[in-house]
Amino acid sequence: DADVTQTPRNRITKTGKRIMLECSQTKGHDRMYWYRQDPGLGLRLIYYSFDVKDINKGEISDGYSVSRQAQAKFSLSLESAIPNQTALYFCATSDSGGRTDTQYFGPGTRLTVL
Amino acid sequence: GQSLEQPSEVTAVEGAIVQINCTYQTSGFYGLSWYQQHDGGAPTFLSYNALDGLEETGRFSSFLSRSDSYGYLLLQELQMKDSASYFCASLLYNQGGKLIFGQGTELSVKP
Repeated sequence: DADVTQTPRNRITKTGKRIMLECSQTKGHDRMYWYRQDPGLGLRLIYYSFDVKDINKGEISDGYSVSRQAQAKFSLSLESAIPNQTALYFCATSDSGGRTDTQYFGPGTRLTVL
Repeated sequence: GQSLEQPSEVTAVEGAIVQINCTYQTSGFYGLSWYQQHDGGAPTFLSYNALDGLEETGRFSSFLSRSDSYGYLLLQELQMKDSASYFCASLLYNQGGKLIFGQGTELSVKP
């Protein structure tokens, strides 16, 4: 079984709808991250959480919110989706005790907002 | 601001050696990581440099020069399966495990 899972894997929605993307991990890591990827722009950090009670904004948090329901679960919400939020979204985890702070990525959610 | 620059595309032939460069301007720099991504799949960790010098892992090596704010990923004995996007990422010590990614280099390996 995959260590980092994301649901759904693909989603098509309409402008103005509320969308939630979910991430779960079985790696036992304390840190979790949400990124979006657009063609030619690499990975940009939306929000990150270093433990259940610690949530931080990343580079592009406007229009997004998150919830860290448990150490293993980190959800990303789009309160009112807009077309320029069409992108590939990745969740990642890392271990604060690791030497290199390697991040482990989920398979991604491809979101299309019409 | 925080930024990392890397070439957008590189092409090489099977069996050759290719170097992907990365220059960075980040405050609170702690180390440089490299990730590989195939066709929009999950990025996977390749290597990490916290100190100046070369780190070797099989066919892949990574180099860092902190004084020059520069690093590179060296891929030897290229194989077709190495065709992918490669991202450098700066680890920021003043923000825990936060990574800032470059825009990625798409490597095409030709027969």
